[in-house]
Amino acid sequence: AQKITQTQPGMFVQEKEAVTLDCTYDTSDPSYGLFWYKQPSSGEMIFLIYQGSYDQQNATEGRYSLNFQKARKSANLVISASQLGDSAMYFCAMRETETSGSRLTFGEGTQLTVNP
Amino acid sequence: DTGVSQNPRHKITKRGQNVTFRCDPISEHNRLYWYRQTLGQGPEFLTYFQNEAQLEKSRLLSDRFSAERPKGSFSTLEIQRTEQGDSAMYLCASSPPKGGATYEQYFGPGTRLTVT
Repeated sequence: AQKITQTQPGMFVQEKEAVTLDCTYDTSDPSYGLFWYKQPSSGEMIFLIYQGSYDQQNATEGRYSLNFQKARKSANLVISASQLGDSAMYFCAMRETETSGSRLTFGEGTQLTVNP
Repeated sequence: DTGVSQNPRHKITKRGQNVTFRCDPISEHNRLYWYRQTLGQGPEFLTYFQNEAQLEKSRLLSDRFSAERPKGSFSTLEIQRTEQGDSAMYLCASSPPKGGATYEQYFGPGTRLTVT
């Protein structure tokens, strides 16, 4: 079974609107972390936001927020007020503290296009 | 800028040749990771160092691959007898010593390998 599933290969959004990128995960590890990274066409991976499995509140970082639903094993990224510069590939990733140590397991990504 | 750096940025080699990539992590980071990313996929974990010790290796890291971090600073990844299937982006990441909750990994720009 896939540990990280991103079911949206591509998403489109109008500038200034909000968009949600889906991520579901599969783990039996009680302690884990969920990450979102942005990868522009230039190739570098840019860290956006983190959610720990024991965190009680959803993480927020500026225009990024993480909709964490633990029982459903989902960790969707919400980008508010989209900007043209948000056009990029977005990856959801997980670190399982007990079973896989420090490594990150990534999903296949969602290509976001922001239209003017 | 004191981010993660990788050299070379691009490498074209013929099948059967050996190649070596270098990664310089952020100076105070003691943890270093190598990932491989093929076109249209998320990064896949290859190996992890804490200081000079190689603590984790993926099954993806065949015996043609070797990674070192001799002084706990920069790291090298060598691929011997390259195959066309080795063509990919090789990403290096680093993270600070334990103490931060996120274990956020900071990625370098990657080395794109093309095996002809």
